[in-house]
Amino acid sequence: EVQLLESGGGLVQPGGSLRLSCVVSGFTFSSYAMTWVRQAPGKGLEWVSSISSSGNANYADSVKGRFTISRDNSKNTLYLQMNSLRAEDTAIFYCAKPMTPNYFDFWGQGTLVTVSS
Amino acid sequence: EIVLTQSPATLSLSPGERATLSCRASQSVSTSFAWYQQKPGQAPRLLIYDASSRATGIPARFSGSGSGTDFTLTISSLEAEDFAVYYCQQRNSWPITFGGGTKVEIK
Repeated sequence: EVQLLESGGGLVQPGGSLRLSCVVSGFTFSSYAMTWVRQAPGKGLEWVSSISSSGNANYADSVKGRFTISRDNSKNTLYLQMNSLRAEDTAIFYCAKPMTPNYFDFWGQGTLVTVSS
Repeated sequence: EIVLTQSPATLSLSPGERATLSCRASQSVSTSFAWYQQKPGQAPRLLIYDASSRATGIPARFSGSGSGTDFTLTISSLEAEDFAVYYCQQRNSWPITFGGGTKVEIK
């Protein structure tokens, strides 16, 4: 059974940092690109970042230079390092596995990041 | 960036009725296009990929059509569990983008 479990969310002040983790099981993690998608409260879905199986990363313009996606295939874990956080980064962050490139058939339950003073 | 515009924002229908949701892309995405369903407090669920292929386990009452810039999700006969928010998504070019969503609510 495929499972994705995010953690690391919480309340942080503007300008602060957080690192999100997504531990996966039930599939060969090292063979798949992985993605972070976020959803601000009451709003729609926004793609944040993706990392290929070989480690190549793409970022939304809204997070470029502030967020870093990475992976540890030995730990079946995806990460999102978030620096210089802003109020507009407040959202539920989901990690997602693609069925084929960039169609997402499995999602975690999400972790809430709140940026507020 | 490819902008996806969904219409209508809200669709009020009764169980058993047909639902037709639209999504228009600001430039062609060929058939590199998907639909998702999201219920309150849940993660999105992939319904349709490649514009018209149903994902694993998705009932036949869900169908997708379109190519280029205009896409449609049809739910042939609404069941109680289908009342939710639906999002379109394109993967044709970076950045991946989602539409703003259509809420299908009970009339």
